Amino acid sequence: DVKVTQSSRYLVKRTGEKVFLECVQDMDHENMFWYRQDPGLGLRLIYFSYDVKMKEKGDIPEGYSVSREKKERFSLILESASTNQTSMYLCASSLWGAHTEAFFGQGTRLTVV
Amino acid sequence: GENVEQHPSTLSVQEGDSAVIKCTYSDSASNYFPWYKQELGKRPQLIIDIRSNVGEKKDQRIAVTLNKTAKHFSLHITETQPEDSAVYFCAASSPGRRALTFGSGTRLQVQP
Repeated sequence: DVKVTQSSRYLVKRTGEKVFLECVQDMDHENMFWYRQDPGLGLRLIYFSYDVKMKEKGDIPEGYSVSREKKERFSLILESASTNQTSMYLCASSLWGAHTEAFFGQGTRLTVV
Repeated sequence: GENVEQHPSTLSVQEGDSAVIKCTYSDSASNYFPWYKQELGKRPQLIIDIRSNVGEKKDQRIAVTLNKTAKHFSLHITETQPEDSAVYFCAASSPGRRALTFGSGTRLQVQP
């Protein structure tokens, strides 16, 4: 069973804080993704990584950065949290690219106050 | 880039009825179309997918159809049950693109 685990289920942070969201997968998948989920907007891609230390911007990368120092771990960083980054964040991994099943983490609901 | 539109945003049906959710995509090169189901408070999970070399795929009560000419694909659920209540997301991807583009989601409510 593929397991994608996000470090926190709920987070509350203050405006201006630097926030780290962590994601770990245990299936040796090449690809990892960070999505943001908002009502009526679906899942929007923030960043993805197709190899260690490799990353590409998704559709909404502004205000975010990522780090992938090890194959199993992909971190999303909010450099200076703002209230409009209050959202549900979903991490996912897949064996290769977009043409194989994506396995999602349980999500982190981030509230920025 | 790819753009995926999904309709309707909410759908309410009676138990036993059929439900249809439709998606259109913009990139004519797209060739992979999965559907994910997200139950309340849970993570999205793949329920069915179709590739561009086939027009229809079925798995028990669910089916997906693809019309490449019109650039749309649909999810069909027959004999709906209360456990089908969830948010459904369609997605699309083209060759060389490393990530899926998702639709905005459809909240399906099956009334017992």
